[in-house]
Amino acid sequence: QLQLQESGPGLVKPSETLSLTCAVSGDSISSSSYYWGWIRQPPGKGLEWIGSIYYSGSTYYNPSLRSRVTISVDTSKNQFSLKLSSVTAADTAVYYCARLGPGRRYFDYWGQGTLVTVSS
Amino acid sequence: EIVLTQSPGTLSLSPGERATLSCRASQSVSSSYLAWYQQKPGQAPRLLIYGASSRATGIPDRFSGSGSGTDFTLTISRLEPEDFAVYYCQQYGSSQYTFGQGTKLEIK
Repeated sequence: QLQLQESGPGLVKPSETLSLTCAVSGDSISSSSYYWGWIRQPPGKGLEWIGSIYYSGSTYYNPSLRSRVTISVDTSKNQFSLKLSSVTAADTAVYYCARLGPGRRYFDYWGQGTLVTVSS
Repeated sequence: EIVLTQSPGTLSLSPGERATLSCRASQSVSSSYLAWYQQKPGQAPRLLIYGASSRATGIPDRFSGSGSGTDFTLTISRLEPEDFAVYYCQQYGSSQYTFGQGTKLEIK
């Protein structure tokens, strides 16, 4: 069964870079034809898509975050990563990694999420 | 960017009742690209419906989706205690994904 697990620091200082990794188990990122993505949810608020990536490295990002976001993939480790630069308190959120289903129309498998707090 | 507006913000119903949740798009969305999720406190969202009306694997048949163009609906025919949660709609278009702000379904 496919499983996704986010990992990374739970506390990041303002102006620094947030870095998270999503480890995928139960399927190979490079042998499947799926896209993968990051979504975040500020405490008590709704969901916001951050960006998505294919195993080849092809990416597309939320225009509102594009200037600060980099998503990359490491097929040897079967994982993909998120970097968000110049963070502020507004970037405090639960960050989820997820798989995009066939046709990349919807997110069918999700990680449990990890809370990242931006604070000095 | 396509904006999704969900209504009502909060819906108070009793177990056994029927729930109707609405998702309205700021411009037309292909039915193939509209999905619904359920989220319980402290949990990740769970895919319920994709392609506006297709149930995801393992989703009970009391959940159904309908709609086209700019108006979509999630219906829960007979509420079970475990159905009380927050529900989000989501669309895909022009290589972007947007979510509605959510409808909280609470026990009356």
